[in-house]
Amino acid sequence: DIVMTQSPDSLAVSLGERATINCKSSQSVLYSSDKRNYLNWYQQKAGQPPKLLIYWASTRESGVPDRFSGSGSGTDFTLTISSLQAEDVAVYYCQQYYSNPVTFGQGTRLEIK
Amino acid sequence: QVQLQESGPGLVKPSQTLSLTCTVSGGSISSGNNYWSWIRQPAGKGLERIGRISISEGTIYNPSLKSRVTISIDMSKNQFSLTLRSVSAADTAVYYCARGKDGYSIFDQWGQGTLVTVSS
Repeated sequence: DIVMTQSPDSLAVSLGERATINCKSSQSVLYSSDKRNYLNWYQQKAGQPPKLLIYWASTRESGVPDRFSGSGSGTDFTLTISSLQAEDVAVYYCQQYYSNPVTFGQGTRLEIK
Repeated sequence: QVQLQESGPGLVKPSQTLSLTCTVSGGSISSGNNYWSWIRQPAGKGLERIGRISISEGTIYNPSLKSRVTISIDMSKNQFSLTLRSVSAADTAVYYCARGKDGYSIFDQWGQGTLVTVSS
């Protein structure tokens, strides 16, 4: 199985400041034939299902604010929130779909400082 | 917009079988190249994909659960289902159904989730 490791486990950022969450995979999730990274990012608020933010490592899902961006390739990825808003308080997960089983990171809890 | 809704018993006894159904509305379960998945989340913990079914590609299961799991689809009812046999307390979780879009495990639509507790 591909192990997804997120850092940090929790993060407190001031409103309007940048938040950065990292995700590292135990093996590359870059598929050589199509040159795409099989990596998603989700946001999960308390009592709700996860919400897709980013897929193919850097493609923003329709309707997701442009303060959310994804970057990285191979084994190292980053989710950046450029200017933290109060409604961004949530747990964030990365997920690989390069191979079965699909696996998720352990989650990063984002709070307001 | 496609919507998903889980249904099934909230309490299952140890060693028995957990059965859940996901009803898809707002679109046909047989249209497009979608993956229909089951994902679970124990309280306060992370996410685990149990498996998925696709009209064109069949089923794939998480190897850790494969011996106990069956996922099936009923196109006439626009539903897909999860069966998990020989459950234990470790199977207690919120169970989500989700759509993987465009033939990939990119989960863009989720049900609200249903809590299943395994207890005698």
